[in-house]
Amino acid sequence: DAGVIQSPRHEVTEMGQEVTLRCKPISGHNSLFWYRQTMMRGLELLIYFNNNVPIDDSGMPEDRFSAKMPNASFSTLKIQPSEPRDSAVYFCASSLLWEGHNEQFFGPGTRLTVL
Amino acid sequence: AQSVTQLGSHVSVSEGALVLLRCNYSSSVPPYLFWYVQYPNQGLQLLLKYTSAATLVKGINGFEAEFKKSETSFHLTKPSAHMSDAAEYFCGGGGADGLTFGKGTHLIIQP
Repeated sequence: DAGVIQSPRHEVTEMGQEVTLRCKPISGHNSLFWYRQTMMRGLELLIYFNNNVPIDDSGMPEDRFSAKMPNASFSTLKIQPSEPRDSAVYFCASSLLWEGHNEQFFGPGTRLTVL
Repeated sequence: AQSVTQLGSHVSVSEGALVLLRCNYSSSVPPYLFWYVQYPNQGLQLLLKYTSAATLVKGINGFEAEFKKSETSFHLTKPSAHMSDAAEYFCGGGGADGLTFGKGTHLIIQP
C-alpha cells in the first residue's frame, strides 16, 4: 500500500488566494483526519470524518476553512481566502473505523506558505 | 475531552543513555494513549499505544511506556539512546472526538 497520499507537498501562495489541499487515505480506511502543525500551537486536529461524514469540525479555525470528503478515497481541505497566519504544515491521517484506539496513519504533509 | 501535557519541549541525552520523555493525561474516562514519532520532514509514525490491556506497553525501536493511573502519566522510555532516535515525539490521547496531541518533545542525542 502506498500509504496516505497528500498533494501538493509544498504550496506557496499570496494572501487572499484560495488554497486546496488534497488527501487520499489508505484503501479500506473509513476515518480521515486533518491536522495543522505550527511551532506556536503544535499539532491541532481540525476535522475528522467517519464514512465520509464530518463528525467533529470544532477544530476548524474559522469560516475560511472548509473540508469535504466526497467519497471514501478522497478529501480536500480548502482555505479561502488564505492569510499569512495560515502558514503551517497540514497533515492528513486515516484510520480503520476510528473508535479512539485505532492507529492513525499519517501522510507526509503539505507545507503551506502564505505570503 | 482528553488532554495531554508533555513536560519539556527539548530533551538532550548522550548516546547510550536512558531516554525518558514525560507525558501526563487528563481524562474522566479510561483513556487510549499513544506515542508517535516524527522524523524531519515526515508525517507521524506510531511508536506504541495503550488500550488498557497491559500497563507496560512495548513499542517499536526499543521504546516502551508505562501507564500509571495514580500519577495520570504515560512516560516513554528507552534504555539506551541511539543517534537515530533523534526526532520529535508526540504523546496523544484518543477519544470519540478524535486524537489530541501534546506540544511535542524534541529529542536530541549527543554523541
